[in-house]
Amino acid sequence: GAGVSQSPSNKVTEKGKDVELRCDPISGHTALYWYRQSLGQGLEFLIYFQGNSAPDKSGLPSDRFSAERTGGSVSTLTIQRTQQEDSAVYLCASSPPSALAKNIQYFGAGTRLSVL
Amino acid sequence: AQSVTQLDSHVSVSEGTPVLLRCNYSSSYSPSLFWYVQHPNKGLQLLLKYTSAATLVKGINGFEAEFKKSETSFHLTKPSAHMSDAAEYFCVVRGDPWGGSYIPTFGRGTSLIVHP
Repeated sequence: GAGVSQSPSNKVTEKGKDVELRCDPISGHTALYWYRQSLGQGLEFLIYFQGNSAPDKSGLPSDRFSAERTGGSVSTLTIQRTQQEDSAVYLCASSPPSALAKNIQYFGAGTRLSVL
Repeated sequence: AQSVTQLDSHVSVSEGTPVLLRCNYSSSYSPSLFWYVQHPNKGLQLLLKYTSAATLVKGINGFEAEFKKSETSFHLTKPSAHMSDAAEYFCVVRGDPWGGSYIPTFGRGTSLIVHP
């Protein structure tokens, strides 16, 4: 498809389990972002990948959260030992490399995570 | 450092009346400013952006915003609301990348309610 694809769209898990969320960015986009959106809140930045540079992990809330981006394309966000406060919508966005357009983010529809 | 404040968590208008969603920002560097819209269970979509060209920016679906440096504001307007405009709107600031501020900062969002 032409847009940012996230899977699964919904994930229900039990407290203490690990989950993996996937993001497939738009082909050719070098930048990739993960955000968390809790009910009634704005977007909380989690992590940023830009090309082959080291990712900016400054937004990860704890060491239970990690992310990787393989081959400069698909990214996986992993949450270990999930807690109920991890319940949120996780959004992925990508940006193209061109100077004029690189500030524009294209968002996926998100993964709604529910931790029981 | 940069920040963005959306002054209203909810705005309610009648169909056919003007829309005003308010946003104030702060940035140590020449900012790029954006408005995104999020319809229920969808990802965010870019409405418009300001990147130091014309101060009055026109976007999609009849929306526009005016950058006012003296007031540090970037309010979003539309002359006549449509039912389909009901959604969550996010104001976003992104600092000068040469200052290291690659990461956008999102406002907490304004929920636009349109009554028939």
